[in-house]
Amino acid sequence: AQSVAQPEDQVNVAEGNPLTVKCTYSVSGNPYLFWYVQYPNRGLQFLLKYITGDNLVKGSYGFEAEFNKSQTSFHLKKPSALVSDSALYFCAVRDAGSARQLTFGSGTQLTVLP
Amino acid sequence: GAGVSQSPSNKVTEKGKDVELRCDPISGHTALYWYRQSLGQGLEFLIYFQGNSAPDKSGLPSDRFSAERTGGSVSTLTIQRTQQEDSAVYLCASSSATSGRAVETQYFGPGTRLLVL
Repeated sequence: AQSVAQPEDQVNVAEGNPLTVKCTYSVSGNPYLFWYVQYPNRGLQFLLKYITGDNLVKGSYGFEAEFNKSQTSFHLKKPSALVSDSALYFCAVRDAGSARQLTFGSGTQLTVLP
Repeated sequence: GAGVSQSPSNKVTEKGKDVELRCDPISGHTALYWYRQSLGQGLEFLIYFQGNSAPDKSGLPSDRFSAERTGGSVSTLTIQRTQQEDSAVYLCASSSATSGRAVETQYFGPGTRLLVL
């Protein structure tokens, strides 16, 4: 079985400050990890993914995420937040050895304050 | 190019009626997924199609839910005898994976917001 936890329902950060959105996962095999963003009344938009290799993954809009195998984490980060980054963020996992569907976390609402 | 499209964008129906939701995947994508996003359950997997293989229906919540994919492209999700707990946003995604070890990215459509009165 695979699962994802996003421990924070809400994250607030001031514009220009660094942001972190937390994600931990559980899979029986090797993980494939994804971050998606959802703006109001829109579908999910892909940000980045980790498959293998370098633990630091860079994605769209200046976002990056760091894979930490020992802590089973895949936190999303951005050095300088923008008001336009305010949205709902989802972490997702897929076990490399099993079915292709993604298991999503419950989502974290990010609010960047001007 | 065009992304995943879904129709209708919004659907209001009465309890007990059947509804059909449509998904047009990205051209050339062989894999198609349906997910449901609801307030109480978050995002949950419903069904997965890959090429001509039998679909993975393991996420369908009841036998009132079914889906088909005609010609390896367009998919229709059908909910029979709708219940109020079926109210949710139904999201479709597609990817370019073939069988094997490729790790594809799933691209999502805008969703269909279903309200069962």
